[in-house]
Amino acid sequence: GAGVSQSPSNKVTEKGKDVELRCDPISGHTALYWYRQSLGQGLEFLIYFQGNSAPDKSGLPSDRFSAERTGGSVSTLTIQRTQQEDSAVYLCASSLAQASGANTGELFFGEGSRLTVL
Amino acid sequence: QKEVEQDPGPLSVPEGAIVSLNCTYSNSAFQYFMWYRQYSRKGPELLMYTYSSGNKEDGRFTAQVDKSSKYISLFIRDSQPSDSATYLCAPLGPRALTFGSGTRLQVQP
Repeated sequence: GAGVSQSPSNKVTEKGKDVELRCDPISGHTALYWYRQSLGQGLEFLIYFQGNSAPDKSGLPSDRFSAERTGGSVSTLTIQRTQQEDSAVYLCASSLAQASGANTGELFFGEGSRLTVL
Repeated sequence: QKEVEQDPGPLSVPEGAIVSLNCTYSNSAFQYFMWYRQYSRKGPELLMYTYSSGNKEDGRFTAQVDKSSKYISLFIRDSQPSDSATYLCAPLGPRALTFGSGTRLQVQP
């Protein structure tokens, strides 16, 4: 597809269950980001992948959260032992890096995965 | 204190009004300042950006940055109902964008 694709679009789970959220970035984009948006809040940075470099995990809120990016393309965000406070929209974005390797500010976002933890 | 502060609104204006949306930030290292627009239940999309201090105009939209006061503004002229959305300011840091909480704008026909 032409844009960033995320699945599932909606996920309802019970407290304590694990969930996996998938992101398929735009082909050729080397940078991939995960953000979280809680109701009425801005976007909270979670993790950033750039090419083959080690990911920047500094935004992950706890060790229950992890993410991987396979083959420099598809990424999966995993939340273990979900809690009610994990309920949010999880947004994935991809972008091209500049020739210098620096980030650009033009991120292309998917429509998000809406997670509800009961 | 958050790195980026933004009035959440909501802001309701009549069609044709001039809208002013504002953010403040604390990190003086920010050089690029983005504005994203987010429609309901959609991902944000880049509206425009400014480098360092100054103004940038794009149609009905003007972005303004004052680095001395760490103040970011977005002006919308002749606002339209289709402008109804949440507007997020987002300075670019070394790793990723730092988003404000967003201002929800409603333009009444």
